[in-house]
Amino acid sequence: GQQLNQSPQSMFIQEGEDVSMNCTSSSIFNTWLWYKQEPGEGPVLLIALYKAGELTSNGRLTAQFGITRKDSFLNISASIPSDVGIYFCAGPNYGGSQGNLIFGKGTKLSVKP
Amino acid sequence: GAVVSQHPSRVICKSGTSVKIECRSLDFQATTMFWYRQFPKQSLMLMATSNEGSKATYEQGVEKDKFLINHASLTLSTLTVTSAHPEDSSFYICSARDLAGGGGGQFFGPGTRLTVL
Repeated sequence: GQQLNQSPQSMFIQEGEDVSMNCTSSSIFNTWLWYKQEPGEGPVLLIALYKAGELTSNGRLTAQFGITRKDSFLNISASIPSDVGIYFCAGPNYGGSQGNLIFGKGTKLSVKP
Repeated sequence: GAVVSQHPSRVICKSGTSVKIECRSLDFQATTMFWYRQFPKQSLMLMATSNEGSKATYEQGVEKDKFLINHASLTLSTLTVTSAHPEDSSFYICSARDLAGGGGGQFFGPGTRLTVL
């Protein structure tokens, strides 16, 4: 079945550093989504990508939809302490019904002030 | 826009009791809502798809008689955990698709932390 492999699993960085994380799939996706989840909260949609090659920014966040449609990356520039959280990539579960999502295992980001 | 709320945010119950969790789309209509479960340090796992006006669709391994889903209106879905046991303790999160907003983005509620004693 579909699987999303997300890396790295965790990152410990200094405030001000740039961050890059990526997600790969064994199958083609038509949509890539990036979410951030803070402790005790639900995921919040950061960026949605709908087209191969698309590069989209949201403030200090930039995400790209890979040309092969099997990968995506998320970059965070000039990280700040409030960037701490778990970042998930997600895509449509084509094996499921009605547009539910499958998620990567997440990248836990820790930022040292 | 696209706000999803959940109630309650936290619930502690005794083993054997039933717990109802509500999921509401506040500023849009959702014919489909999704219920996920998340164990500590793990990703979200889809439990079921809630369909307004019809029966929910459950993922493999999820007991439909234990996790009752009712999608009574275009803005409300409820998940009832029946005869809860300690192993049901988890973080339950709902989501809804804002079809009017386009695309495949889903919007998540803030989650409900269930602790069964």
